[in-house]
Amino acid sequence: RKEVEQDPGPFNVPEGATVAFNCTYSNSASQSFFWYRQDCRKEPKLLMSVYSSGNEDGRFTAQLNRASQYISLLIRDSKLSDSATYLCVVRDGNNRKLIWGLGTSLAVNP
Amino acid sequence: GAGVSQSPSNKVTEKGKDVELRCDPISGHTALYWYRQRLGQGLEFLIYFQGNSAPDKSGLPSDRFSAERTGESVSTLTIQRTQQEDSAVYLCASTENEDTQYFGPGTRLTVL
Repeated sequence: RKEVEQDPGPFNVPEGATVAFNCTYSNSASQSFFWYRQDCRKEPKLLMSVYSSGNEDGRFTAQLNRASQYISLLIRDSKLSDSATYLCVVRDGNNRKLIWGLGTSLAVNP
Repeated sequence: GAGVSQSPSNKVTEKGKDVELRCDPISGHTALYWYRQRLGQGLEFLIYFQGNSAPDKSGLPSDRFSAERTGESVSTLTIQRTQQEDSAVYLCASTENEDTQYFGPGTRLTVL
């Protein structure tokens, strides 16, 4: 089993749609959780950290479920500019290394 | 302020040659990571430097790969006797508090 797993997609949604991505992690000792965004042929950039209580940033909401060992990202009112690959990242609780998922591809269509 | 920079931005080399890739992290960032990303694939962890601790080399795919970092400054990734399967984008990232990673633009390596 991979340490961090994501549905690769692609998710094709119309503008204005709500879309949700899930990510599961295998190490229960994982400490910190993040969502990064990577545009085509660009470097990844932090989208948001994921806190135990859940957090929201505009149209984006991230949630953590420690019991089930998954994190989620919800995007409301999708924009064309949201088209990208969304990467789930988990910090290993033992050696503090960041473990990356392979990403979920999102295409928002007009 | 200046972000993470990498050089060269593109490198084309012949199979069997050695290449050296450079990363200049954000000043003051204690941790530095190297990743490899093949076309259409996810990030592949290579090596992790944290302060003066011994680096985590667990991701290096073979002994042809090595990396160094002097203190909390520049890092170089060296690939000896390059092979075609080494063709990829090599990304460097630095962090201040081991959370948010700031990536450089990457070096696109093509081995002919």
